[in-house]
Amino acid sequence: EAQLVESGGGLIQPGQSLRLSCEVSGFIISDNYMSWVRQAPGKGLEWVSILYSGGTTFYADSVRGRFAVSRDNSKNTLYLQMENLKVEDTATYYCASHYCTGGSCYLDDWGQGTLVSVSS
Amino acid sequence: SHVLTQPPSVSVAPGQTARISCGGDIIGSPSVHWYRQRPGQAPVVVISSYNDRASGIPERFSASYSGNTATLTISGVEAGDEADYYCQVWNTRGAVDHPVFGGGTKLTVL
Repeated sequence: EAQLVESGGGLIQPGQSLRLSCEVSGFIISDNYMSWVRQAPGKGLEWVSILYSGGTTFYADSVRGRFAVSRDNSKNTLYLQMENLKVEDTATYYCASHYCTGGSCYLDDWGQGTLVSVSS
Repeated sequence: SHVLTQPPSVSVAPGQTARISCGGDIIGSPSVHWYRQRPGQAPVVVISSYNDRASGIPERFSASYSGNTATLTISGVEAGDEADYYCQVWNTRGAVDHPVFGGGTKLTVL
């Protein structure tokens, strides 16, 4: 059974940096597409970044240039390095794995989320 | 990139049928996927690839597609169905493929 556990969230001031971790068990993350999805308080889901099994990365316009996704295969852990954080980055951040079939992919396993609060 | 529009809220009485739409820019997308998110929990997929129910999801849940609109239908709505529901497509129009979510619909069981 797949299990994803995020950590690293907390209260941080604007302009500072934070690194989120997503420790995975039950499957090998380097064999899968992995995404970070966030949800601001009381708002909907917003896709943030994706890391393909081959290593390609891509980001939402709102975070491109400030966030970086990576993985440590030896630890089977996904990371999200967040720089120059803004108040509008306040959200619960989820990591999720993708299942792809028929030319489309959806997020089949999710972590429980970690809350990032950016405030002065 | 796709832009998906969902109604902010849908309300139905127990036992009735709830229909949640997802429209806008779906033409050309191979599949529309649906998630349920209960308060304080992570989203879970309920319908994938247009009308494949996820494990444990009852037959009361179904999905359809017509024109530029996908619809999640929940028949015989129960109190436990009250949640936020999101549609998602796989965007293949940009430099790198990635998921796109609709804005979400809050289902209230009266």
